[in-house]
Amino acid sequence: QVQLQESGPGLVKPSETLSLTCSVSGGSMSGGGHHWTWIRQPAGKGLEWIGRLYGSGNAVYSPSLKRRVTMSVDTSKRQFSLEVRSVTAADTAVYYCGRERGYSGYEVDFWGQGTLVTVSS
Amino acid sequence: IQLTQSPSSLSASVGDRVTVTCRANPGISNSLAWYQQEPGKAPKLLIFAASTLQSGVPSRFSGSGSGTDFTLTISSLQPEDFATYYCQQLDSYPPTFGPGTKVDV
Repeated sequence: QVQLQESGPGLVKPSETLSLTCSVSGGSMSGGGHHWTWIRQPAGKGLEWIGRLYGSGNAVYSPSLKRRVTMSVDTSKRQFSLEVRSVTAADTAVYYCGRERGYSGYEVDFWGQGTLVTVSS
Repeated sequence: IQLTQSPSSLSASVGDRVTVTCRANPGISNSLAWYQQEPGKAPKLLIFAASTLQSGVPSRFSGSGSGTDFTLTISSLQPEDFATYYCQQLDSYPPTFGPGTKVDV
C-alpha cells in the first residue's frame, strides 16, 4: 500500500519561498508508469493542480504557476519536493502531494493527508 | 479546459439516488475522473476513464458519459457519502478540476 506524507513549515512570510517535501512509503518511486504531483486547495475552495514530476526528474507545471514553481525528486530518500517562490497570501492553502497513474489517465490514486501553509508576516 | 458541475450543492437523504453532472468545454473524450472529499480529508479517487470504478470503491458509485457531458451516480446514498464531489479532466494540459458538488443532508 502506497502512503504519502507532506512535511514543511506551516507559516511562510510574503515574498519568501514555500518548501514542502512528500515522503513516499510502499510502491516504486520510479518506473511502473507512476508520476508524482502537487495539488493545492485554498480554504473553502476547489482543487488546483500545481505540477507533475516524472521519475526521470523532469517536470511540467501549471501555466499559472510555472514562473514560481520547482519540483524535484530524490528517489534514494523516497521523497519529492515542491518550491514556490515569491509567495503571497494567495498561496495560502492546503497542499497535497499525490501519485498519478501515468499508464492510465494520470488520475491521482494515492494522496497525502495534506498540509496547511499560511502566508503571513 | 473549463469544467462546470451541477448542482453546486444538493440535499439528499440516506437511500436516495443522487446524480452529479460535470460538463467539459471543449470535449475531452473519456478522460475524466471523479473524486470524493470529506471535510478535512484528502480527496479519494472514485472513478477514472469516465466510467471505471476504482478498486475498493463501493459499486453504488458509477460514472458515465463522454465528450462534453458526464455524470456520477450514487445509487443508494449512504451516511458516509455526504461529502463534496469533484470531477477532473485529464485530456489536456494542465489537468483541471470542476468547482465541486456538495452533497449534504
